[in-house]
Amino acid sequence: LAKTTQPISMDSYEGQEVNITCSHNNIATNDYITWYQQFPSQGPRFIIQGYKTKVTNEVASLFIPADRKSSTLSLPRVSLSDTAVYYCLVGDIRAGNMLTFGGGTRLMVKP
Amino acid sequence: EPEVTQTPSHQVTQMGQEVILRCVPISNHLYFYWYRQILGQKVEFLVSFYNNEISEKSEIFDDQFSVERPDGSNFTLKIRSTKLEDSAMYFCASRREPSYEQYFGPGTRLTVT
Repeated sequence: LAKTTQPISMDSYEGQEVNITCSHNNIATNDYITWYQQFPSQGPRFIIQGYKTKVTNEVASLFIPADRKSSTLSLPRVSLSDTAVYYCLVGDIRAGNMLTFGGGTRLMVKP
Repeated sequence: EPEVTQTPSHQVTQMGQEVILRCVPISNHLYFYWYRQILGQKVEFLVSFYNNEISEKSEIFDDQFSVERPDGSNFTLKIRSTKLEDSAMYFCASRREPSYEQYFGPGTRLTVT
């Protein structure tokens, strides 16, 4: 399993764009990059998944450079309700698909 | 939107007692999971279940733990003899093919005293 490193915490203000970067230097060829969000006292929630280049959905964008050794989750125009922990997960989603969570990035959005 | 549901939301039990945590996965999902999160720590995988059998389990999932799908809708996690260190939030998750997205329930907070 590829080890991931992401900031422990980040602060932002309402209306700003937030970019959370995750390093995964030993990512394997078959590994995908997946981001989950967790609010306090709730279960994690899938945000976005990608393999390379850029993926966008209604919630976020995921940027993956050509070497795939890092990825950046971009949240456009955050609001107070985006305050949560964001987890970067890297693994071969076809094999077993147990999710391995790291410590995540605690995002605090201020008014 | 369909959701994974879990009952109870909070369970308090004494050390050594058996507990059963219940989950109702999303109806057309075939893959089921249990995770736990000790307060302030990471979410940890316990077990995955498909086609009425365990497909993967972690080191945490020892002989004290068991899972069952007793009917077409429920998925349960049993802890035979609870220990203080079993106190945690327990999350059930499910997914359907071909998606790899796991849908998590709201969790059951287990407190062992």
